[in-house]
Amino acid sequence: QVQLVESGGGLVKPGGSLRLSCAASGFSFSDSYMSWIRQAPGRGLELVSYISGTGYTVYYPDSVKGRFTISRDNAKNSLYLQMSNLRVEDTAVYFCAREGERGLDHWGQGTLVTVSS
Amino acid sequence: DIVMTQTPLSLSVTPGQPASISCKSSHSLLRSDGKTYLYWFLQKPSQPPQLLIYGVSNRFSGVPDRFSGGGSGTDFTLKISRVEAEDVGVYYCMQTVGVLWTFGQGTKVEIK
Repeated sequence: QVQLVESGGGLVKPGGSLRLSCAASGFSFSDSYMSWIRQAPGRGLELVSYISGTGYTVYYPDSVKGRFTISRDNAKNSLYLQMSNLRVEDTAVYFCAREGERGLDHWGQGTLVTVSS
Repeated sequence: DIVMTQTPLSLSVTPGQPASISCKSSHSLLRSDGKTYLYWFLQKPSQPPQLLIYGVSNRFSGVPDRFSGGGSGTDFTLKISRVEAEDVGVYYCMQTVGVLWTFGQGTKVEIK
């Protein structure tokens, strides 16, 4: 069955960096768009980034553009999010999600990123 | 950016009674391929969101048939025919017709 397991979250100071990982299994990873979606404490859902199966197509909203970089290693069935110049407002649970034929059909449990001095 | 607006933001429902959530988008979600890219998710407490409905009205695998989605263009609705205790959580609509995928604010459903 499809499994997505995020890791790499933690406490970081403003201006710091963090790299999140998402280990995927149970499906053809290289054929799937993958995304990072975050949820600030007590708030709604926000797209952080997505990447095509080949890695050639990526997207970032203005809120993270220039600070976050999404990447993938299809040989390792892994998705990454390199986050730099972190801000307090980046504090959130970060979910990785697969875009299947029917939409974002599988999500990981999430990893918490806390940006605080 | 396409803004998704849900109403109501909270709902208290007696078990066995119906519930309805509205989602309005600032732009049409119908793409040139003829498909409408509107989805519904349920986030149960302390869990990640789970896909309920895709393409406006199609139930995802394993979703009970008491859930139904409808609408077109910019106006959409999620209906629960008879709410059960396990349906509590926050419901989100989402669009992917634009390059920036956006979510509604969420509708919290609780049981009376």
